[in-house]
Amino acid sequence: QITLKESGPTLVKPTQTLTLTCTFSGFSLSTSGVAVGWIRQPPGKALEWLALIYWNDDKRYSPSLKSRLTITKDTSKNQVVLTMTNVDPVDTATYYCADAAKHAFDIWGQGTMVTVS
Amino acid sequence: DIVMTQSPDSLAVSLGERATINCKSSQSVLYSSNNKNSLAWYQQKPGQPPKLLISWASTRESGVPDRFSGSGSGTDFTLTISSLQAEDVALYYCQLFYTTPPEWTFGQGTKVEIK
Repeated sequence: QITLKESGPTLVKPTQTLTLTCTFSGFSLSTSGVAVGWIRQPPGKALEWLALIYWNDDKRYSPSLKSRLTITKDTSKNQVVLTMTNVDPVDTATYYCADAAKHAFDIWGQGTMVTVS
Repeated sequence: DIVMTQSPDSLAVSLGERATINCKSSQSVLYSSNNKNSLAWYQQKPGQPPKLLISWASTRESGVPDRFSGSGSGTDFTLTISSLQAEDVALYYCQLFYTTPPEWTFGQGTKVEIK
């Protein structure tokens, strides 16, 4: 059974760096074809893809946020970490991580709400 | 720039009636490696994460009721709920994958309600 869980601060001040961790089980990020992505959703708004990392450490970023994002993985800990620099109140959102396959996001974590204020 | 449009923003359908949601891309999402369209549909209920319903434009995920179906190719896609049930009240999102450059894009969402 695949599960993912996001963790990180609930409140961050503007201009600070936000670090979120996705801890997963039921699959390995060292297996060919596996990927984990980050998606966010501001309150009452649509989903927005942020970043994705593949089993081979290939990384992809949303063009609009690329300069502020870094995604890394720790295969031994079954974790993926997303770092966002210079946060702003518009970054207030629920942040999800998800198992990515078939160019879609199969299994999602419950999400973690982050407020920038 | 890639332009993606999901419509309508909301719709109200009577129980047992058909609901149709559209997703249009300014560029083809046909994935040449498998000749399939990189288009997915998600359902999101309040307070829950999205749930993948359909991948590759028309492949229903395991456990998804067969009243949900996806169709379309190239740039125009449709999610159909053939006979709306009360538990289908939710937000629905399409999501496209573009290969060059690699990018995942979500539609703005469609709210489905009971009339």
